[in-house]
Amino acid sequence: AQKVTQAQTEISVVEKEDVTLDCVYETRDTTYYLFWYKQPPSGELVFLIRRNSFDEQNEISGRYSWNFQKSTSSFNFTITASQVVDSAVYFCALISTSGTYKYIFGTGTRLKVLA
Amino acid sequence: SQTIHQWPATLVQPVGSPLSLECTVEGTSNPNLYWYRQAAGRGLQLLFYSVGIGQISSEVPQNLSASRPQDRQFILSSKKLLLSDSGFYLCAWSVDGHTEAFFGQGTRLTVV
Repeated sequence: AQKVTQAQTEISVVEKEDVTLDCVYETRDTTYYLFWYKQPPSGELVFLIRRNSFDEQNEISGRYSWNFQKSTSSFNFTITASQVVDSAVYFCALISTSGTYKYIFGTGTRLKVLA
Repeated sequence: SQTIHQWPATLVQPVGSPLSLECTVEGTSNPNLYWYRQAAGRGLQLLFYSVGIGQISSEVPQNLSASRPQDRQFILSSKKLLLSDSGFYLCAWSVDGHTEAFFGQGTRLTVV
């Protein structure tokens, strides 16, 4: 069975603080893909990043960075110097190549950045 | 470029009434299509997905159904809505099962 766990339901930080959103996944497949999405108050899910199971390099994009560790089945997301505009719900997702086409989402983490 | 359109944006329907939500994708062919539902303050629940015309996979048995009458059109329907059908419905598409999915703007359905 495949599963994505985002244990942090809600996080509040003060602007300019760094914050890490945790994501732990479960899959028996050796080839899979992981994603992060942002859902602002408007509701639309915005794609942030895709990572395949063979690429464990960390990635940085501006204030965003991602840490993928297969040993711990984690794909954590860090926002550096958070801003009020970062306030949103963030979802981690998984899809494997086992023949299904289902994106499995975590329950999301609501991030509140306070001015 | 590819775009996804989903409508209506909001909908208020009485219990027992029918439902039809439509989603269309432009700029691509033979996309994988998905319907997700998000209850208030909750995560995303996969309802249906389709890898081709007429091919529908159902994930959650309930009073909803989906159809794909055309390559880039995905419709979510119900003959009789229940109060529990209230939620935020999101349509999504992807090129295949390896790439990211792109989401529509969603339909906020309230059943009263």
